[in-house]
Formats: sequence, C-alpha cells, structure tokens
Amino acid sequence: NAGVTQTPKFQVLKTGQSMTLQCAQDMNHEYMSWYRQDPGMGLRLIHYSVGAGITDQGEVPNGYNVSRSTTEDFPLRLLSAAPSQTSVYFCASSQTTGTGGNQRAFFGQGTRLTVV
Amino acid sequence: AQSVTQLGSHVSVSEGALVLLRCNYSSSVPPYLFWYVQYPNQGLQLLLKYTTGATLVKGINGFEAEFKKSETSFHLTKPSAHMSDAAEYFCAVSSDTGRRALTFGSGTRLQVQP
Repeated sequence: NAGVTQTPKFQVLKTGQSMTLQCAQDMNHEYMSWYRQDPGMGLRLIHYSVGAGITDQGEVPNGYNVSRSTTEDFPLRLLSAAPSQTSVYFCASSQTTGTGGNQRAFFGQGTRLTVV
Repeated sequence: AQSVTQLGSHVSVSEGALVLLRCNYSSSVPPYLFWYVQYPNQGLQLLLKYTTGATLVKGINGFEAEFKKSETSFHLTKPSAHMSDAAEYFCAVSSDTGRRALTFGSGTRLQVQP
C-alpha cells in the first residue's frame, strides 16, 4: 500500500501566486486533515474532512481552501501565497469509528513550501 | 479545548542511558494520548497511544508511556537509548468530541551521544 501520498515534495512560490498541494490515500479512510509544521510550534491543524463532501476549519485556516470530492483525495489550495505560509505541510488520514478520536493517523512525507 | 505541553525542546542522552521525554496535557473530556516520532525529512509515525484500559502503554522500538490522570501527564520512556532513536518526538491529544483531530505539542528533539 502507498498509504498517504503528497505532491509535490518541494515548492517555491512567489508572493501572490496560487497553487494546490495534493494529498491522496489508498486506505479508504474517512477522516483526512492538513497540518502545517513550523519550528517550535509542533503541527497545527489547517482544515479537516470527515468524509467526501464534508470539510471544516481547523486552528489556522486563513489563506487556505480545501475540498473533498472523493474519499481518496484532499487537496489544499493556497489562493494567494504569502511569506507567512512558508512551512512544511503534512496531510494525514485515519479511519473513523462512531467516535473516531482514538484512531491512529497516517501521515504523508510532507511538502516543503517556501514563499518568497 | 485541548492543549499539550512538552517540557524541553531538546534532550541529549548518551547511548545506553534512560530516555525520558515529558508531556503534560489539558483536556476537559477524557483524552486519547499519542506519541509520534519524526525522522529527518519524513512524516510522523505512531510510536504508541493510550485510549482506555491499561495506563502503561508499550509501543514500538522499546518505548513506553504511562498515562497518569492525577498528574495530567503522559511521559515517554525507553530504558536504553540507541543511536537510531535520534529524532523529533511529538506528544498529541485528541478526544471523541469536536474536531476529533490531534492537537500536538511543540516537539522534543532527542539527541543520542555515542
């Protein structure tokens, strides 16, 4: 199994450019999420989805959009990149039971984004 | 609301010495607690988790952690450090309410000296 696949691995953007970070999982997981990792701050939740067609905001959603048209894919869009969005981005997925908080999350390898 | 505090952003031990990484949490509902490890330029991998039941949880690579509700702690230990344990370790909390997402601590970088 490929698990969680993120593309690209590295990206440099100019301020104001837009781009989409791709995330795909092949484990038929219902729950998917995007985090950003910044030095000394751990990982912070950007957006999450509990299933196809359902998304919601996390702690730091400003400047990011998501959609979930299929179970497998959960792309993250930056509409107008800013230097403050320079970070490492991780996508994660987990199976959910009726409650779901106790499930193991599987993480992608990350996308290192630099906005200049 | 949930939060996690990891004491010590950097911990250095000698090979063969005890590893102790500290984690305290805050949660208004029964928590689920996790330790994840991140090796350089990689994603996070689950080391162990506490959901319910036995408070001493054993994970991969010889790590274990004990859930202490009275101290709101979930410290990670390993009796004897190995060079391959050098990595960044994240404590995280979630619950069955709200977003059901993981809330992470700021991480502890473990260095193992030969």
